[in-house]
Amino acid sequence: DVKVTQSSRYLVKRTGEKVFLECVQDMDHENMFWYRQDPGLGLRLIYFSYDVKMKEKGDIPEGYSVSREKKERFSLILESASTNQTSMYLCASSSGGGQGNTEAFFGQGTRLTVV
Amino acid sequence: AQTVTQSQPEMSVQEAETVTLSCTYDTSESDYYLFWYKQPPSRQMILVIRQEAYKQQNATENRFSVNFQKAAKSFSLKISDSQLGDAAMYFCAYKTSYDKVIFGPGTSLSVIP
Repeated sequence: DVKVTQSSRYLVKRTGEKVFLECVQDMDHENMFWYRQDPGLGLRLIYFSYDVKMKEKGDIPEGYSVSREKKERFSLILESASTNQTSMYLCASSSGGGQGNTEAFFGQGTRLTVV
Repeated sequence: AQTVTQSQPEMSVQEAETVTLSCTYDTSESDYYLFWYKQPPSRQMILVIRQEAYKQQNATENRFSVNFQKAAKSFSLKISDSQLGDAAMYFCAYKTSYDKVIFGPGTSLSVIP
């Protein structure tokens, strides 16, 4: 079974803290994604990585950064957490290299609350 | 930029009946892929069905089928013989030629016993 594991299911952080959300996949996938899920807005892409140390901004990158030092791990960083970053965060991975019909596999999500 | 629209925030269906969820998208690409995902209360996203844009034949997976209209940029999901376990959020997704995946806002489906 493909597995995408997010380090925390629930997280509470204080305003101004630096927050790390970790994601690990075990399928040797090239592509990894971080999404933010809010009611009525669906999943919005924060950042996308198509290879180690390669990244591309998604639709809402402001206030976030990412790191991908190893193929299996993709980290989302909130440099200085703010209350408007309270949300559900979903990590996903998929194979690349032109295998377009392959789907993305998701982690179980991290519900982050910034107080 | 590509966008995905789901115009029905909420839908409901009687158990054993059929329901259709709508999805439209905007793109200038000719080669792409479309997906429907289900997210139950457990929050785990599950693939329901996929469609390659170059295939004219509509995809089918058991009780789930799609109506893909490429010219109209429409990709609706039909659920037949609805079951209580079908209650979930359903997301339509578009995959670009360079592997970026874009999601719609979702439709919350309720199944009435």
